[in-house]
Amino acid sequence: EIVLTQSPDTLSLSPGERATLSCRASQSVSSSHLVWYQQRPGQAPRLLIYGTSSRATGIPARFIGSGSGTDFTLTISRLEPEDSAVYYCQQYHPWTFGQGTKVEIK
Amino acid sequence: EVELVESGGGWVQPGGSLRLSCAATGFTFTCCAMSWVRQAPGKRLEWVSAIGAGGSRTYYADSVRGRFTISRDNSKNTVDLQMNSLGVEDTAIYYCVKEEWSSDLPRFEYWGQGSLVTVSS
Repeated sequence: EIVLTQSPDTLSLSPGERATLSCRASQSVSSSHLVWYQQRPGQAPRLLIYGTSSRATGIPARFIGSGSGTDFTLTISRLEPEDSAVYYCQQYHPWTFGQGTKVEIK
Repeated sequence: EVELVESGGGWVQPGGSLRLSCAATGFTFTCCAMSWVRQAPGKRLEWVSAIGAGGSRTYYADSVRGRFTISRDNSKNTVDLQMNSLGVEDTAIYYCVKEEWSSDLPRFEYWGQGSLVTVSS
């Protein structure tokens, strides 16, 4: 089973700043199979990015996914207050998730 | 609009059973595989089980294989999760999820709001 490790655990930034979230896999992951979700407090997760870099419907362009092999990144180019959430990466076969990165907006 | 509504959660004693159900609306139910994902308090998301669009193919996480059974009724647009021999480690919010596989890019496209299962004596 592929283990996903996210870093950092928590990111505390101001509105307008750039957030860089990392997801490292214990084995190589197909770029088609790397997905990112956002989970706001008290809510279900929401699909953000799939296939490493494709934004889901309605997701703002400030959310950018990249990476390959074992290293993947979610970049939020200019943080908005509503981006305060936990972000999870996921890979397929079988489905596993990272432990999450909490993004706090100062 | 896609909507997934879970029901059937609650409190159960260790060793007990519970059946979760998910009612799906807003899309052609037979298009898609469906999954259950859970989240224990303060823990990461954990995929639990999946069922193919036709209902004949089922998949389970090692942690629940042999105890949980997933099924679907395509005439009623529902997917169920029968959970037996429950332990405290099964305490979690259980989410019903619609899978999407277009362009050979798998993802969990829509999530229900979740159903809380508490296993405690």
